[in-house]
Amino acid sequence: KQEVTQIPAALSVPEGENLVLNCSFTDSAIYNLQWFRQDPGKGLTSLLLIQSSQREQTSGRLNASLDKSSGRSTLYIAASQPGDSATYLCAVAGDQTGANNLFFGTGTRLTVIP
Amino acid sequence: EADIYQTPRYLVIGTGKKITLECSQTMGHDKMYWYQQDPGMELHLIHYSYGVNSTEKGDLSSESTVSRIRTEHFPLTLESARPSHTSQYLCASTPTGGNSPLHFGNGTRLTVT
Repeated sequence: KQEVTQIPAALSVPEGENLVLNCSFTDSAIYNLQWFRQDPGKGLTSLLLIQSSQREQTSGRLNASLDKSSGRSTLYIAASQPGDSATYLCAVAGDQTGANNLFFGTGTRLTVIP
Repeated sequence: EADIYQTPRYLVIGTGKKITLECSQTMGHDKMYWYQQDPGMELHLIHYSYGVNSTEKGDLSSESTVSRIRTEHFPLTLESARPSHTSQYLCASTPTGGNSPLHFGNGTRLTVT
């Protein structure tokens, strides 16, 4: 069974700093990888989806990379802002069904200090 | 903004009660899912559906049932709530075709006393 790990569990940075969040997975045979943001008491919001054939995806200040061979993905946040404070989760899909073959990490709780 | 709606947002009920958590989406997505999430823990898949009249159990069925009579509606029912059911319940949807992101509702926070 795929195992998805996100380390650290929590991270605090001063405003304006660039930062990297990590996601690792045990089975490199993935279909895609998604990064989500979750605010307290809310659902998950999709940030970026990287297909297995892609190496990276960018959206504004966010850049996600994927290295299947090493079982790793990173989410780079440039010029962090207090509004970026949230929990960031990654999820790995094993195939296109996306239902019982989708595995989530437990997330990294990010705090950006003004 | 969420195009997938969950009600109620918060619910406190006593042990043994039957409850239904509502989930509706306006995007015409075929696939819908129910997840359970405890603080600091990973999401656990409870039920999922590939379309109308399709329902499947996930890893954590938790003595619940679902129905999918209409594309847009995917309610989750607990026949007899227990304190162990206290958790956050998240509904999600995605269109058919693998490389589409999941859309989540804002969740229902359930407390069973």
